[in-house]
Amino acid sequence: SQQGEEDPQALSIQEGENATMNCSYKTSINNLQWYRQNSGRGLVHLILIRSNEREKHSGRLRVTLDTSKKSSSLLITASRAADTASYFCATVPFGNEKLTFGTGTRLTIIP
Amino acid sequence: DTGVSQDPRHKITKRGQNVTFRCDPISEHNRLYWYRQTLGQGPEFLTYFQNEAQLEKSRLLSDRFSAERPKGSFSTLEIQRTEQGDSAMYLCASTERGVATEAFFGQGTRLTVV
Repeated sequence: SQQGEEDPQALSIQEGENATMNCSYKTSINNLQWYRQNSGRGLVHLILIRSNEREKHSGRLRVTLDTSKKSSSLLITASRAADTASYFCATVPFGNEKLTFGTGTRLTIIP
Repeated sequence: DTGVSQDPRHKITKRGQNVTFRCDPISEHNRLYWYRQTLGQGPEFLTYFQNEAQLEKSRLLSDRFSAERPKGSFSTLEIQRTEQGDSAMYLCASTERGVATEAFFGQGTRLTVV
């Protein structure tokens, strides 16, 4: 079963604009991770944020976590054509030893 | 080390046939996971190993599915008597310290059952 839900399901923006994706989940978590998947390929880890952290940065990526609202957001600044991909949030519920993925956001960057 | 590798990348099989996939994790990673992903969905957990021990199996893993990691290194996932509903991407991932650290995924094996 899928614990998380990403919003929006699909997003198209012009190159250079910022892209924001949101993830909501249902149960208390140990950490939350974001992954990128190019069409038909494996997943690539982007960033991990622990339940006691509120914000994390990595290059052009900024992730926030609000455990009271059970939600997270991924911001990609100054988007590039190469950012076109599907983005998934994955949670690690407390007491669990596996990643539970959401349904993903399909991001298209228009050159 | 070149990361997690999966073989084959693509497999087309007739309904009722058996198929086996292989995953080679990153060598120092003792945790190995199998996921299944259908079109337009996120990956769904199937099973995981800590070294050679299979510690958890999803209810998605019917009796037709079996996974092994005999020496705590590579793993195999076998599907017996394949059905059209088994068509999916099968992903393998490994981690250094369980889910407290990032997972490294292979490129996946795309199975098509005709």
